[in-house]
Amino acid sequence: DQQVKQNSPSLSVQEGRISILNCDYTNSMFDYFLWYKKYPAEGPTFLISISSIKDKNEDGRFTVFLNKSAKHLSLHIVPSQPGDSAVYFCAAGDSGTYKYIFGTGTRLKVLA
Amino acid sequence: DAGVIQSPRHEVTEMGQEVTLRCKPISGHNSLFWYRQTMMRGLELLIYFNNNVPIDDSGMPEDRFSAKMPNASFSTLKIQPSEPRDSAVYFCASSFWTETEAFFGQGTRLTVV
Repeated sequence: DQQVKQNSPSLSVQEGRISILNCDYTNSMFDYFLWYKKYPAEGPTFLISISSIKDKNEDGRFTVFLNKSAKHLSLHIVPSQPGDSAVYFCAAGDSGTYKYIFGTGTRLKVLA
Repeated sequence: DAGVIQSPRHEVTEMGQEVTLRCKPISGHNSLFWYRQTMMRGLELLIYFNNNVPIDDSGMPEDRFSAKMPNASFSTLKIQPSEPRDSAVYFCASSFWTETEAFFGQGTRLTVV
C-alpha cells in the first residue's frame, strides 16, 4: 500500500513556464515533507521541505505548498530551466522518527 | 567532506550468490538509511540505524537481506542468496539525527542474472 503517491510519472514543460509536481499522502500522522531531485546515475539530493505547521515554503524558484486537509503537497518551479530536468521525489514522514516514505517519482523534462 | 560513499557502483552477480554492498556515511552523521529504488515502487526504505543501532528494519523484504553497522563510519547490506528480483539500485543515506534532511550516496546498481 503506497502511503505516498506521485500519480504523474512524467511531465514536460517549456523553459520559462511553471512546473507543478504533485504528491498525495494517506497517513495523517505525517508531519514533515521533503522534495528531492535526482539526476541519472546520481543519488537524490535534497531540494526543499515543509513542516505541517506551515502551508507554504519558498526557496528561490522553488515553492512547496501543503494542503493538510487534502493530504496533498505540490512543488512549483518558476521559471523552469532546462537544468531542472530530473526525477523529483516527494517524501513524507514523522519528524520524530526520521523515517520518510518516498513516492515513485515524477520525471520532469524542461524543453528549451 | 566527500559525502556518502557507496561501493561498488555496479555489481553483476549470478543468482544464488552472496552480495555485499558497502556504505561510508558522512562523518559526524549518526543516522544511516538503506533504500532500494525500483521502477514500480520508487525509493523504499529498507532499514535505518541511529547511533549504529538498527531502529527499524520493517522494510527489509526477506530474511535473505541483512544489514550491519559495526561502527559510525561503515555499514553493509548483504543479500544471501541473491535472486533476479533483487535487481535494483540500492542507496545509502545519512543524516544528523536532529536534521530531517538526509544526504544520499550515488547508489549501487545491482543486477542479478
